[in-house]
Amino acid sequence: GNSVTQMEGPVTLSEEAFLTINCTYTATGYPSLFWYVQYPGEGLQLLLKATKADDKGSNKGFEATYRKETTSFHLEKGSVQVSDSAVYFCALRDVTGGGNKLTFGTGTQLKVEL
Amino acid sequence: DSGVTQTPKHLITATGQRVTLRCSPRSGDLSVYWYQQSLDQGLQFLIQYYNGEERAKGNILERFSAQQFPDLHSELNLSSLELGDSALYFCASSANSNTGELFFGEGSRLTVL
Repeated sequence: GNSVTQMEGPVTLSEEAFLTINCTYTATGYPSLFWYVQYPGEGLQLLLKATKADDKGSNKGFEATYRKETTSFHLEKGSVQVSDSAVYFCALRDVTGGGNKLTFGTGTQLKVEL
Repeated sequence: DSGVTQTPKHLITATGQRVTLRCSPRSGDLSVYWYQQSLDQGLQFLIQYYNGEERAKGNILERFSAQQFPDLHSELNLSSLELGDSALYFCASSANSNTGELFFGEGSRLTVL
């Protein structure tokens, strides 16, 4: 079945450091891919998405490129801020059986310190 | 604010009991999803409804059931509760059934003692 694998956290960085959170997927075909973010005490929010190979999703300084050769969708940001501290989830859209669901990775907690 | 409203925010109950979680989707959204988030299982998809009809089913236990009403709000019923059912239950909605852009509520935290 479809699955998403994320690097384990927590990841602790200093402010203005470069961020990479790795995400790889296993799926039939080329599903749409997503990064969601969950701030403390809140629900998940869509951060960015890519719907086909070589697409680059971007938002709020975060970027991720859909790489079908390596089945990856790594999240990057050039300079993190304390306000980026949250849990980040990689996900793929699964339409097996006519439904519409997101299969999520286990989440990666990011902590940014001054 | 995502526009998705979940009640109650917190619920504490005993094993063997039954609870109902309620979700109001964003205005105009026809599709509702339920997810369970626990420390050991992560985010697990439970069930999806679209305009009142069940559209997809995930890892939902037989003790759990859900429905979507004509006004599009949804309820998740959890019965014969066990300690392991303690988790954060999220509802999400989307405008249609062809998008991965879901809007999540803040969740209902269930504690089973």
